[in-house]
Amino acid sequence: AQRVTQPEKLLSVFKGAPVELKCNYSYSGSPELFWYVQYSRQRLQLLLRHISRESIKGFTADLNKGETSFHLKKPFAQEEDSAMYYCALSGRGSSYKLIFGSGTRLLVRP
Amino acid sequence: DAGVIQSPRHEVTEMGQEVTLRCKPISGHDYLFWYRQTMMRGLELLIYFNNNVPIDDSGMPEDRFSAKMPNASFSTLKIQPSEPRDSAVYFCASSRTGELFFGEGSRLTVL
Repeated sequence: AQRVTQPEKLLSVFKGAPVELKCNYSYSGSPELFWYVQYSRQRLQLLLRHISRESIKGFTADLNKGETSFHLKKPFAQEEDSAMYYCALSGRGSSYKLIFGSGTRLLVRP
Repeated sequence: DAGVIQSPRHEVTEMGQEVTLRCKPISGHDYLFWYRQTMMRGLELLIYFNNNVPIDDSGMPEDRFSAKMPNASFSTLKIQPSEPRDSAVYFCASSRTGELFFGEGSRLTVL
């Protein structure tokens, strides 16, 4: 069964501290992994996807197939990073059907 | 493009009433998704369409929920009769390349 697990509901860090938002998945096949973000009063939007291997707003995420993880990292958190972050999975080559984790709220304190 | 447009933004209704949520996807997108967001369960996929055809409705909670997509520019999600446990934010999203573009959501409160 497809499943995305984000174990932390809330992650609170101080500005300038490193951030790691955890995401683990289960999927029998080749998954495609995403991170979506929802800032206050804004739409849910794509932050990054693993196949693009980009760094967006200083965030990176590496797909670790051995550990079935796709953790989101940023070396120095900024206050504007405070948002709700969702990890999501789809089957590669499938129909774009995305299964989301329950989300982690990141709070960056000044 | 104004993006995915959903209406109404807020709906408050009484238990037993019919609720219809509407969605206009981005022009040219051939996939449309309906999600429900709650504090307890996060974002749940209810149903999705490809080229106006329902592909997977396994996430629809029960027969009280139904969704249609009569053409490429319009979809509805209907709840009849509504119950308090249906209270949630309902999101519509559309896609052409695998990236989902979300609407602002419809917040439903069933009293």
